[in-house]
Amino acid sequence: QSALTQPRSVSGSPGQSVTISCTGTSSDVGAYNYVSWYQQHPGKAPKLMIYDVTKRPSGVPDRFSGSKSGNTASLTISGLQAEDEADYYCCSYAGSYSWVFGGGTKVTVL
Amino acid sequence: EVQLVESGGGLVQPGGSLRLSCSASGFTFSTYTMHWVRQTPGKGLEYVSVINNNGRSTYHADSVKGRFTISRDNSKNTLYLQMSSLRPEDTAVYYCVKDGSGGWFFDYWGQGTLVTVSS
Repeated sequence: QSALTQPRSVSGSPGQSVTISCTGTSSDVGAYNYVSWYQQHPGKAPKLMIYDVTKRPSGVPDRFSGSKSGNTASLTISGLQAEDEADYYCCSYAGSYSWVFGGGTKVTVL
Repeated sequence: EVQLVESGGGLVQPGGSLRLSCSASGFTFSTYTMHWVRQTPGKGLEYVSVINNNGRSTYHADSVKGRFTISRDNSKNTLYLQMSSLRPEDTAVYYCVKDGSGGWFFDYWGQGTLVTVSS
């Protein structure tokens, strides 16, 4: 499968909202409600932020939210904070026990 | 606390082999599907392999199919990735990843082990 498409970077000031898009196809994002998002700080392992499109694991702040429309999923960070500056990756189940990731988006807090 | 600790990475020549291990603790290893995901230096994540809880079902991405083999030893709470016919493009940090409970996502990641394929 081809990687999911994400913007290379997004930025916002503290307190603002930013949204990261993740575009796939009818075989992955559009076919399943199994989109997840991962946050990665430099030199660290990825951390699960959103799963099953909209669900937040325990401990993840509620300023992180997910949504999906057709073949595009989105991650919104409301009330941006300095510690949110990181790389974010989307991932979708693609059937037949396979998954596909996005290329990653760097979030910069201005 | 869930812990996943990878080992076995290093420098290997093109065409060589390497076996990665992942020691798991803090959860009932034998009841979870496990994965390997890799990240090339400065680039994004790529899905590599999956194995179900009893080891009878596996899947490998096309980019590694026929060269990599995922396996597990539930008596040792350990996940493996046997890599052969290694290529420079296999150079990456390899993460051991735990399947999310009841879902199609990854809830815990190890810190990764670096594999460098170079002459």
